[in-house]
Amino acid sequence: AQKITQTQPGMFVQEKEAVTLDCTYDTSDPSYGLFWYKQPSSGEMIFLIYQGSYDQQNATEGRYSLNFQKARKSANLVISASQLGDSAMYFCAMREGGNYGQNFVFGPGTRLSVLP
Amino acid sequence: DSGVTQTPKHLITATGQRVTLRCSPRSGDLSVYWYQQSLDQGLQFLIQYYNGEERAKGNILERFSAQQFPDLHSELNLSSLELGDSALYFCASSVGDSRMNTEAFFGQGTRLTVV
Repeated sequence: AQKITQTQPGMFVQEKEAVTLDCTYDTSDPSYGLFWYKQPSSGEMIFLIYQGSYDQQNATEGRYSLNFQKARKSANLVISASQLGDSAMYFCAMREGGNYGQNFVFGPGTRLSVLP
Repeated sequence: DSGVTQTPKHLITATGQRVTLRCSPRSGDLSVYWYQQSLDQGLQFLIQYYNGEERAKGNILERFSAQQFPDLHSELNLSSLELGDSALYFCASSVGDSRMNTEAFFGQGTRLTVV
C-alpha cells in the first residue's frame, strides 16, 4: 500500500506567489517524522524541512513551512514568495517508529514550475 | 556537500554487463539506503542496511545485490544489465538511531546508462 501520496504530478505558480504542495501519508505508528526534499534539474536531493508527529507547532524554515494536519494525515509544503530557482521536483518522505534503522519512504513527487 | 560520496558519477556500459556502485556514508551514519530513479520518475527504494545488516528490502531485482562493509561503506552490484536499468542511483545515509528528526543525506548519485 502506498504510504506517501502526492496527488499533484505538476504544479505551476507565478513568481512571488505562494504555492502549496500536497502530501498525505498512511501510518498506524504514533511516532513518525515527515520530511520534504527538493530535487532541482541538476539532480541532487536537498533536505528542506522536517515535522515530527508529536510537534505541536507547524515547522518553518525560511520561505518553507509545513501545514501539518495530523488528524487528516496530511503534511503539505507551503512555499511563500516563489522564486524561479524553486522550479524543481519536490518529494515528501516519512520515517516511522522510534526504532533504530528505520527506513525512509518517499512519495512520487510533484514537479513545480515557477513562471516569470 | 552532504558528506555522502558516491562513485562513479557516471557509468556507461553494455547490456549483459555487471557494474558496482559504491557509497561512502557520512561519518557516524549507520544506515545506508539505495534508491533508483528512472527518467522523470520518483525514488524507488531498493534496499537498506543498518550497521552491516540488511534492514529493509524494496523492489530490488534478483539481478541486483548490495552489501554494507564493516567500515560502513556500501556497494550496489547490478548484473546482467538491461536497457531498462538505465537510471540515476542514489545512496543516502542517516544516523539510524531512534531519533525521528534525523534526515537522510543523499549523495550526488550515479548516472548509469546501459547501451
